[in-house]
Amino acid sequence: DAGVIQSPRHEVTEMGQEVTLRCKPISGHDYLFWYRQTMMRGLELLIYFNNNVPIDDSGMPEDRFSAKMPNASFSTLKIQPSEPRDSAVYFCASSFRIGRSDTQYFGPGTRLTVL
Amino acid sequence: GESVGLHLPTLSVQEGDNSIINCAYSNSASDYFIWYKQESGKGPQFIIDIRSNMDKRQGQRVTVLLNKTVKHLSLQIAATQPGDSAVYFCAEGGSGSARQLTFGSGTQLTVLP
Repeated sequence: DAGVIQSPRHEVTEMGQEVTLRCKPISGHDYLFWYRQTMMRGLELLIYFNNNVPIDDSGMPEDRFSAKMPNASFSTLKIQPSEPRDSAVYFCASSFRIGRSDTQYFGPGTRLTVL
Repeated sequence: GESVGLHLPTLSVQEGDNSIINCAYSNSASDYFIWYKQESGKGPQFIIDIRSNMDKRQGQRVTVLLNKTVKHLSLQIAATQPGDSAVYFCAEGGSGSARQLTFGSGTQLTVLP
């Protein structure tokens, strides 16, 4: 299995532009999580899905952020318009509950720089 | 101005020595705990997990200890190698039906030659 796949790996954009981050979870996993990591705040959960349905989006910073999961193998996180304070590494993770195990497997991340 | 970031605890060990990384968790209802390793420029990588009905679990060169009385988790790495240098995060989960993991702030492990 290739693991969680994220694209692009690096994104540099200008303030005000739309940014779309993409994620392909591990096949068969029914949970998908989007995180943001910064030096200031560490690893923050933004939103997570179960069977393509958003379950908890309380971590989404504001309306500029939106996430979709149109099918079991694809999710997007969109920022519109982007701001310099959105600069961070964004991780996607997926999991499949086995017994009481909630292990999440992370992708390599997308490093976003908003100028 | 100068940015202020999280102050990560740091641990420096000599190559070949054993490392112990500690973590205090917050939710007494959590029943599942995980240690992740994050190398520079990469995503967190699963190392080992433990359920609340256990107090010790061993893997390859790693051991996790759980003390529910004081809500403390530790990761022991035997014969630490340069490739072990990374940030280590503990995470807790499994409370009720929630599927989120709550991550600690991490510990930076540096292995000295």
